[in-house]
Amino acid sequence: DQQVKQNSPSLSVQEGRISILNCDYTNSMFDYFLWYKKYPAEGPTFLISISSIKDKNEDGRFTVFLNKSAKHLSLHIVPSQPGDSAVYFCAAIQGGSEKLVFGKGTKLTVNP
Amino acid sequence: GAGVSQSPSNKVTEKGKDVELRCDPISGHTALYWYRQSLGQGLEFLIYFQGNSAPDKSGLPSDRFSAERTGGSVSTLTIQRTQQEDSAVYLCASSSRTSGGAGEQFFGPGTRLTVL
Repeated sequence: DQQVKQNSPSLSVQEGRISILNCDYTNSMFDYFLWYKKYPAEGPTFLISISSIKDKNEDGRFTVFLNKSAKHLSLHIVPSQPGDSAVYFCAAIQGGSEKLVFGKGTKLTVNP
Repeated sequence: GAGVSQSPSNKVTEKGKDVELRCDPISGHTALYWYRQSLGQGLEFLIYFQGNSAPDKSGLPSDRFSAERTGGSVSTLTIQRTQQEDSAVYLCASSSRTSGGAGEQFFGPGTRLTVL
C-alpha cells in the first residue's frame, strides 16, 4: 500500500512558466515532508521541506504548499528553467522515525 | 567537501552469487541509510544505522539481505544468493541528525545492480 503517491509520472512545461508537482499521502501521522530532485546517474538531492505546522514554505523559485486536511502537498517552481528538468520525489516522515517514505517520482521536462 | 560515495557504481552478477555494496558517508554523520529503487518505483527504505544503536532492519526484504557499519563510518550492504528481482539501484544516504526524525539526508550516486 503506497503511503505517498505521485500520480503524474511526467510533466512537461515551457521555460518561464510555472511547474506544479503534486503529491498525496495517506498516513495522517506524517508530520514532515520533503522534496528531492534527481538527475540521471546521480543520487537525489534535497530541495525543500515543510513541517506539518506550516502550510507554505518558500525558497527562491521553489514553494511547497501543504494542505493537511486534504493530505496533499505541491511543489511550485516559478519560473521554470531547463536546468530544472529532473525527476522530483516527494517524501514524508513520521515524528520519531528516521524512515523517509518516498513517492514514485514525477519526471519534469522544461522545454526551452 | 566530500559527499556520500558508493562503490561500485555498477555491478553485474549472475543469479545465485553474493554481492557486497559499499557506502562511505559524509564524515561526522552519525546516521546512515540504505534505500533501493527498482525500475519505475520510488525509493524503498532498507535499513538505518544511528551511532552505536542497534540498526533498524525493518525494510530488508528477506534474510538474504544484511548490512553492517564498521566503526560508525563505512557501511556494507550484502546480498546473498542474488535473484533477478534484486536488480535495482541501491542508494546510501547519511545525515547529521542524532534523533527525532525529519532530517535532510544526503544521498550517494547509487550502485546499479543487475542480476542476470
